[in-house]
Amino acid sequence: GDQVEQSPSALSLHEGTGSALRCNFTTTMRAVQWFQQNSRGSLINLFYLASGTKENGRLKSTFNSKESYSTLHIRDAQLEDSGTYFCAAAGGNNKLTFGQGTVLSVIP
Amino acid sequence: GGIITQTPKFLIGQEGQKLTLKCQQNFNHDTMYWYRQDSGKGLRLIYYSITENDLQKGDLSEGYDASREKKSSFSLTVTSAQKNEMAVFLCASSPGQSGNTLYFGEGSRLIVV
Repeated sequence: GDQVEQSPSALSLHEGTGSALRCNFTTTMRAVQWFQQNSRGSLINLFYLASGTKENGRLKSTFNSKESYSTLHIRDAQLEDSGTYFCAAAGGNNKLTFGQGTVLSVIP
Repeated sequence: GGIITQTPKFLIGQEGQKLTLKCQQNFNHDTMYWYRQDSGKGLRLIYYSITENDLQKGDLSEGYDASREKKSSFSLTVTSAQKNEMAVFLCASSPGQSGNTLYFGEGSRLIVV
């Protein structure tokens, strides 16, 4: 079936720094979504992309369907950015396949 | 805006028991989903439904039943609860059928004693 490989599995950032998360897909995907799961377990929509790049505040996401990957860039990390980040990609049917998640810890 | 409401937030049952989780959405979305999330892991799709009375199996449907009684509600039944089944169950909905944005409920935690 469709596979989504997310990396890294865990990431520590000092406040004010930045980094990138990545998802690689083993098949052609039509769209990708990025979510943040907070400490209460709620999944918050960050981005939905069918192609290209979107930016929202300190977050930016890119989806390259030809090369089968998506990235989520975080800059100027804040303590409230801590949580687990998931990518999820839609293939040729209605199903979203989720990555395994990246646990982000932002350190003062 | 809209909201997805999952009930109950915590469901405690005994091994072998049949247990049901409910989900309501007021977005008027066509498609609804049930996902399971085990501790520290990603989400796996159990069932989804693209319209009222429709049911489609996901990757993890064995041991579960689902029912889309009306457009706004989608229930999930664990047919015989097992201790290795303790997880958070997340309901979601999306406007259309193909890769649209998903909106999630707050989750229901299943505890099997």
